[in-house]
This record gives sequence, C-alpha cells and structure tokens, in this order.
Amino acid sequence: GIQVEQSPPDLILQEGANSTLRCNFSDSVNNLQWFHQNPWGQLINLFYIPSGTKQNGRLSATTVATERYSLLYISSSQTTDSGVYFCAVELHSGGGADGLTFGKGTHLIIQP
Amino acid sequence: SAVISQKPSRDICQRGTSLTIQCQVDSQVTMMFWYRQQPGQSLTLIATANQGSEATYESGFVIDKFPISRPNLTFSTLTVSNLSPEDSSIYLCSVEVVAREQYFGPGTRLLVL
Repeated sequence: GIQVEQSPPDLILQEGANSTLRCNFSDSVNNLQWFHQNPWGQLINLFYIPSGTKQNGRLSATTVATERYSLLYISSSQTTDSGVYFCAVELHSGGGADGLTFGKGTHLIIQP
Repeated sequence: SAVISQKPSRDICQRGTSLTIQCQVDSQVTMMFWYRQQPGQSLTLIATANQGSEATYESGFVIDKFPISRPNLTFSTLTVSNLSPEDSSIYLCSVEVVAREQYFGPGTRLLVL
C-alpha cells in the first residue's frame, strides 16, 4: 500500500516561532489532507490540498504532487497550536472515494 | 463541512463483551468510514460503509470482529465484538462531504478491562 512519512516526529518550539512540517508519500494521490488533533482527541480539518498552495490565517500548505510531498507552515506559533499534526492521503484510483492512509504524525509542543 | 456525532463518547467494558458505536451525520452522505486509533498511534482505516451494500474491510479487520451497519445515508454503527484489552482505542467515523474531503466525528474512547 501507499506509504506516508511525516517529519519531524516531534517538535518543541517557543511561542512566536515558525515551523515547517513535511509529508512524503509514495504514490499518486487523489486526496491529501492535513489535520490537527487537539489534546481532547478531536481531528480538526486544516487543509484539503491534493495539489497547489492554500493559506488560512497563520497556516499555509503546499503540495507538489509530481514530487510526492506536502508542507505545512505554521507562523507565529501559539500555545493552542500544540497537538499532533497528521497528513493523510487517498490513493489515486478511478473509482469512488476510498479511505485515508495516515502518516504517524508530528507531535508539536509550543512553550509559552 | 458536516456535523458528526458519535455515541457513546467513551465507555469501559469487560473483556468478552461487545460495544456498538453509533455515528450520526446532519446531512446525507454516500461514503462513511470507520477508523481506529490505538494509544499513542496514528489512525488506521477499519472499513468503508456505503448505504445499501456490504462494508468493505481493510486487511487485518474482519466482519465477525467489527460488524458494521449502514441503514441509511445519515447513520452507521460499528460493533467491536468479543472485546479484549488490545481493543482499547479511540474509534472514529468519518464522512466524505464534497470533492473527496473527509470530516471526522469526535471519536469514542474505549477501555477494555
């Protein structure tokens, strides 16, 4: 099956710092999403980004589908940004939607 | 997006028993999915549930252990049968709303003693 690798696995930053999270995937994909799992376990949709660049406030993401990677940028980090960031992909297929394959996540801690 | 609810939010069960988890969506959706997140781990797809057809299970998951129902376009249940401590996990349902983007329910935290 498709492989999804995220780096770094852990990241500790001071409030106000910027960070870049990376997601590499091993095959062509129909769908790529970034999620933030908060300390209560809720998965929050950040971006649906199978290709191109999107921005939402302090967060932005870029996916280069031809090179099979995606980047999530967090600027001016806040303590509420702490949690686990997951990249998830759906393998490219000609049929209907399939389930997502998740990376192992990046555990981000923002210290005040 | 979609509003997705799950019941129960958490439960503690004895080994050998079963737990049925409900997933309710506020709009009609074709595709629903069930995932498991073991402690400290990432999410793993259990099965895809389409209304009017049998669920499709991923490798390592079988219908006898994880029977799924999908009676209509807004509701699904996942049963975890013959519970063992290794089944202690968070179970999440998700739906595809538009253009393949998936949204997740709040999850059900299961502890098996």
